[in-house]
Amino acid sequence: SQTIHQWPATLVQPVGSPLSLECTVEGTSNPNLYWYRQAAGRGLQLLFYSVGIGQISSEVPQNLSASRPQDRQFILSSKKLLLSDSGFYLCAWSIAGGATYEQYFGPGTRLTVT
Amino acid sequence: RKEVEQDPGPFNVPEGATVAFNCTYSNSASQSFFWYRQDCRKEPKLLMSVYSSGNEDGRFTAQLNRASQYISLLIRDSKLSDSATYLCVVNNRDDKIIFGKGTRLHILP
Repeated sequence: SQTIHQWPATLVQPVGSPLSLECTVEGTSNPNLYWYRQAAGRGLQLLFYSVGIGQISSEVPQNLSASRPQDRQFILSSKKLLLSDSGFYLCAWSIAGGATYEQYFGPGTRLTVT
Repeated sequence: RKEVEQDPGPFNVPEGATVAFNCTYSNSASQSFFWYRQDCRKEPKLLMSVYSSGNEDGRFTAQLNRASQYISLLIRDSKLSDSATYLCVVNNRDDKIIFGKGTRLHILP
């Protein structure tokens, strides 16, 4: 069966510090991978998605970036965090090219920028 | 018109009652539809896909109305554990995935 891991679970970082969040998927090959952010009391915002190694599409221009160095690894980064970067960051995967496109989410990272 | 719209609620419903909520979408070319459930401070979890012919999973029934561009979720014999936020998801032909902001449901004892 497939599993998706995210770490860390919670993170408190000062403004201006760098960020690196990691997501890995097990039990599937060549998944589509996604990063979302959910701000307090708001809906899910798609940040990045990837259909393969090194292939990243950005949905919202911002000070965040994403990388996919391996098939089942997806990393979200920032060089300098802003207060507005606080939120619940969720990684998700789906079957590549699947007709149904169900997405399965990791447990998320709750980021507070102080 | 927003791409995906949901009534934010909250819907306060007594235990055992039936509750239904809708989700409207603006893109008539949308291909696939889902309902997710999100508990407080947790990740969304897939509840069910929504098929053109409608589908049922236990106490939950999902329906799609392409003509009016909405999907619905019906929960029968509601349980306290059904309290959550229900997210509507619409996928378009260009693989664009749109999440609604969710409908909050509180089941009252």
